[in-house]
This record gives sequence, C-alpha cells and structure tokens, in this order.
Amino acid sequence: LAKTTQPISMDSYEGQEVNITCSHNNIATNDYITWYQQFPSQGPRFIIQGYKTKVTNEVASLFIPADRKSSTLSLPRVSLSDTAVYYCLVDGGPYKAAGNKLTFGGGTRVLVKP
Amino acid sequence: DTAVSQTPKYLVTQMGNDKSIKCEQNLGHDTMYWYKQDSKKFLKIMFSYNNKELIINETVPNRFSPKSPDKAHLNLHINSLELGDSAVYFCASSQVAGYNYGYTFGSGTRLTVV
Repeated sequence: LAKTTQPISMDSYEGQEVNITCSHNNIATNDYITWYQQFPSQGPRFIIQGYKTKVTNEVASLFIPADRKSSTLSLPRVSLSDTAVYYCLVDGGPYKAAGNKLTFGGGTRVLVKP
Repeated sequence: DTAVSQTPKYLVTQMGNDKSIKCEQNLGHDTMYWYKQDSKKFLKIMFSYNNKELIINETVPNRFSPKSPDKAHLNLHINSLELGDSAVYFCASSQVAGYNYGYTFGSGTRLTVV
C-alpha cells in the first residue's frame, strides 16, 4: 500500500495555477518528498524534491509545512502540455526503504483545458 | 543519448512462455530498479540493485528473476508467464549519494500475456 494520499483528479484551464496536495502522515525523519510527472506511454519524470519549507525550480514550487505531514506541488500558469499524472513519493532512498516506501500511489490526473 | 533505455517497448506473448526485458542506463548511476505499473497506475517496486548487488527484493513470484551483469545494466527475466503478469514494466536508476537521489525512468515495456 502506498503511504501517500493524493486527489484522484483535477481539472484546470490554461494559464491558471494548479496546486496538488499530498498527505503523508507517517513521513520519517530521513524521508524526502519528491514529485514526478507521467505522460501516457512514458516513464515518470522527476519534477522537484524537497525536505522542508519551500523549494522552487524552473517548472514548479514545492511547499512543505513544518510538520512535514503534507506537501503541495504548485504548477504556475499551466498549459495544455501539462496534462499528465502527477505522483508524490516519500522515501529515504533504497537503503532506508522498507517495502512499500518505494511504491508510488495512484497519482493525480491533471487535465488542462483550453 | 537516452538516459535509461529498455527493450523491447512492447511484448506480446502466450501464457507459459519465458521472456526477458533489458535495461541499460548511461548516467553513471549506481542503483537500478524494476517497477511494475498496474491498470490503476500504481507503480510498485519489484527489485533494486546497487553495484550489481540485490538490495530490494519485494514480494514478487519466483518466476521473476533480475540479473545485473554490471552497474549499467539490469535485466528482468520472467518464466512461465501468466495472464496477471500483463502490465507496464519500468526500469529506473538513481545515484544514492547525498540527498538528491531522484529516480530516472525508462519509457517502459508493455507486456501483454494472452
């Protein structure tokens, strides 16, 4: 069983900001939070990773509250090409992994409409 | 210059057959993985190798046997294929050093057992 919970789907429109929240109540001290994007017939692609507070790169921002029990991926001004499934993964790497820690949840299907 | 490449991309075979999927990465990563993605889009870890050593072996039938001839290659052999083995199999790699160990995935192998 995945240890993260995300909404199953979200709809948005071009130019809007999309925020996807992931719950991970059992996050461990060594765990990092990583978000991936997956298009049909492709493997997941790394978007952003963080441990606490806020992380920003050229494609997204990641907000992590002090208790780290959740995280929010923010996609600014989405376009049609951002339509994909977004996964939240919480783990401390393979050596600290215990079984399902490296299993991704079902992800959030984001549909961007014109 | 594909980072993680898998072959074949599609594989259709009959029940009872034995098949192999190959994976190669040219990123210089020291850890490689096999994931299975089911119809509900959950990505489940199957195996992980670090420098040719098996470090994660999830509850997977014995019919699945990974082989890592060197740290750049991780192959998956499946014996006596069953209908339930139909899924998309992803190979991934990561560098387990420091804190930024995001996974790089291949484009997947869609296995259909008939």
